[in-house]
Amino acid sequence: KAGVTQTPRYLIKTRGQQVTLSCSPISGHRSVSWYQQTPGQGLQFLFEYFSETQRNKGNFPGRFSGRQFSNSRSEMNVSTLELGDSALYLCASSFGGGSNEQYFGPGTRLTVT
Amino acid sequence: AQKVTQAQTEISVVEKEDVTLDCVYETRDTTYYLFWYKQPPSGELVFLIRRNSFDEQNEISGRYSWNFQKSTSSFNFTITASQVVDSAVYFCALSEAGDNYGQNFVFGPGTRLSVLP
Repeated sequence: KAGVTQTPRYLIKTRGQQVTLSCSPISGHRSVSWYQQTPGQGLQFLFEYFSETQRNKGNFPGRFSGRQFSNSRSEMNVSTLELGDSALYLCASSFGGGSNEQYFGPGTRLTVT
Repeated sequence: AQKVTQAQTEISVVEKEDVTLDCVYETRDTTYYLFWYKQPPSGELVFLIRRNSFDEQNEISGRYSWNFQKSTSSFNFTITASQVVDSAVYFCALSEAGDNYGQNFVFGPGTRLSVLP
């Protein structure tokens, strides 16, 4: 079956702008998690959505938000972009339990200039 | 709080050598889950294995093997007879959340493995 897809794959934005990233999970998966990956901070958990509800949240400012739709697709939004938001944003889907492995998409590479 | 340490930042080996990637974790929970992921140059993380805290049996899958020791809070990963295609960044991850509490993975910083021909 199809894997996790993320769009767009690459984005270049200017400081102060906002951006929306999209993630389509594996069919049947109801949990979608988002991560930020940077060379300095590694993989950091942003938030997890399950059945359209945010269930867990990492330590990121309120400029980072997300939502999940009834078909489990998820979007992540970053407002008022800063240079430090440049990163690879990874989406992962799973069946949702803490014991379940996550399957990752290819990521969206965001560059803020 | 949960934490995952991968002390080896980078490792270089020559093809056919065996290599072990170390992972040490910290958790106060008695029920937890450990994972290994591979991130090749393409960027997409690939799931390799999951272990729960009640199962200390070692596992072997082809050239890959995993050694889980609760006494030392370690979950090490060995690649036997390494190949150039094994070159990637490998991440160890910990999940404390029970099945009713969702997912909150904590990843280690990763170990970059370079296998030279």
